[in-house]
Amino acid sequence: GQNIDQPTEMTATEGAIVQINCTYQTSGFNGLFWYQQHAGEAPTFLSYNVLDGLEEKGRFSSFLSRSKGYSYLLLKELQMKDSASYLCAVRDSNYQLIWGAGTKLIIKP
Amino acid sequence: SAVISQKPSRDICQRGTSLTIQCQVDSQVTMMFWYRQQPGQSLTLIATANQGSEATYESGFVIDKFPISRPNLTFSTLTVSNMSPEDSSIYLCSVEGTEISYNEQFFGPGTRLTVL
Repeated sequence: GQNIDQPTEMTATEGAIVQINCTYQTSGFNGLFWYQQHAGEAPTFLSYNVLDGLEEKGRFSSFLSRSKGYSYLLLKELQMKDSASYLCAVRDSNYQLIWGAGTKLIIKP
Repeated sequence: SAVISQKPSRDICQRGTSLTIQCQVDSQVTMMFWYRQQPGQSLTLIATANQGSEATYESGFVIDKFPISRPNLTFSTLTVSNMSPEDSSIYLCSVEGTEISYNEQFFGPGTRLTVL
């Protein structure tokens, strides 16, 4: 079966750095996505990785290792507004998106 | 990104009734999807809305319960039929294949449904 694993919840301090991991086992691979979802709102796109390596976009970076079936989302200089759920999703060989359960990130002052 | 609107934004319905949710995009898109999200849970894909033909449903979802229409490249509807309290959830429309980006999915604001 297809599976995506993320930690259920993480806590970090304002101004710090946090890394949210995602491991996946899917039938084929055509890219990995990270989305942010604030409570009561729709998910919004953060990043897309299809090749190995690090993609940096401001305070957020996303890393991919296809051989290890592993990705992480790195958030720097954390702000209170970063409190949200972070969803990892993988596009499989059928170009369907397989969604992880999401990681709830709590930022403390 | 594409601007996506959903109507209604929320509704409270009685058991046994049906509700139709509309999804409108401000530009033509290749793919349109319908998801369900229970509180605190991740996204569950209900179906892919196909333009001019029957939707493609995921395991556990059937057309009689969730009829879907997609008459053109910018509009789709999802009906939740013969509702029960178990259908209480947030229903999200998403799109792929916009003028700006082909890869990522963009989501509408969602419809919060409560069935009494």
